[in-house]
Amino acid sequence: QVQLQESGPGLVKPSETLSLTCTVSGGSIRSYYWSWIRQPPGKGLEWIGYIFYSGSTNYNPSLKSRVTMSVDTSKNQFSLKLSSVTAADTAVYYCASHRDGYIYQFDYWGQGILVTVSS
Amino acid sequence: DIQMTQSPSSLSASVGDRVTITCRTSQSISTYLNWYQQKPGKAPNLLIYGASNLQGGVPSRFSGSGSGTDFTLTISSLQPEDFATYYCQETYGSPSFGGGTKVEIK
Repeated sequence: QVQLQESGPGLVKPSETLSLTCTVSGGSIRSYYWSWIRQPPGKGLEWIGYIFYSGSTNYNPSLKSRVTMSVDTSKNQFSLKLSSVTAADTAVYYCASHRDGYIYQFDYWGQGILVTVSS
Repeated sequence: DIQMTQSPSSLSASVGDRVTITCRTSQSISTYLNWYQQKPGKAPNLLIYGASNLQGGVPSRFSGSGSGTDFTLTISSLQPEDFATYYCQETYGSPSFGGGTKVEIK
């Protein structure tokens, strides 16, 4: 069974870049598409974007100008960078898998990591 | 963008009750609709995909129906472990989620 684990700083200063990594175990990073999804405290879910092992990406248009995703197949990891963060980017960030780049069924999720944007 | 409207935003129910949650989309999405359950402090868990298909390992008391713009998640007999927040999610375009329905103990 695929397992996902997010890692990265839990505190980021305003205007700086948020950087997170998701490590995949129990399966090949080549077998799925990999998404980032976030959830502000007490609020709903927002899809940020996905990356495939080939490096192809698809980002949420509302965040596209600030998002960069990358993948490291040798480490079975993929990463998220979100630039110019503000307090509105404070959220639990999840990584999740899906089997198709068009039909987004998020079947495996990481436990989530809380990232707070504050000076 | 496709807008998702879930109702109700919260409900109180008792163990054994039949519970129905509705999700409406701003445009037709065929059956490109999934449902998730989220418990406090945990990641969401996929329950239903393609509007009516039960994800492996999910109890059969959960069911989904609908197509086009109107969808329903039904829990036939609410169990103690079902008290959680439920989200619908469209996968027709850039995926988006409904606002959630919190199911609380009556």
